[in-house]
Amino acid sequence: GEDVEQSLFLSVREGDSSVINCTYTDSSSTYLYWYKQEPGAGLQLLTYIFSNMDMKQDQRLTVLLNKKDKHLSLRIADTQTGDSAIYFCAESLTGANNLFFGTGTRLTVIP
Amino acid sequence: NAGVTQTPKFQVLKTGQSMTLQCAQDMNHEYMSWYRQDPGMGLRLIHYSVGAGITDQGEVPNGYNVSRSTTEDFPLRLLSAAPSQTSVYFCASKTDKDFAFFGQGTRLTVV
Repeated sequence: GEDVEQSLFLSVREGDSSVINCTYTDSSSTYLYWYKQEPGAGLQLLTYIFSNMDMKQDQRLTVLLNKKDKHLSLRIADTQTGDSAIYFCAESLTGANNLFFGTGTRLTVIP
Repeated sequence: NAGVTQTPKFQVLKTGQSMTLQCAQDMNHEYMSWYRQDPGMGLRLIHYSVGAGITDQGEVPNGYNVSRSTTEDFPLRLLSAAPSQTSVYFCASKTDKDFAFFGQGTRLTVV
């Protein structure tokens, strides 16, 4: 099956940049997503990138996609305590509606 | 616009009991799915439906049944709850061209 991998934990100091990484195995991905889950809440779509793009920027968020290495990253500039959450990488494949999720990275922002 | 609504938010069951987790969406989305979230494992697909009357199994379907009699509703049934089904359950809906919208989740504990 499809394999989407993330590291489980990341700690950064408030004001620094955070970089959350994700690798995937299926080259037929159409969209790659980043979802944010705050404690006790559902999943909130943060941003996404189409598989034929290399980069997408949205305010403090920058998504980089390296298709050759099947590597996706999410950079959060000027990380704030409100950014503390679990971040999930997910992919959808050509012709399919299912999403395949990574394990999630728990980001802790230290004041 | 309510989006995806899941009920209940919390539930405790005894081993062997049955129950139904409800999911309703008001966006007229064709595609609906159920995921379970377990620590360190991300979200795993249980069952999904591409339209009323059509359901199919995901990655971890054992112990769960679904039906889709209307476009709006996609209930998940546990016929005989087991402690291994202790998890947080998320329902999601989407169209072909849209992104997945998630409910707030149901936290289920089986004792």
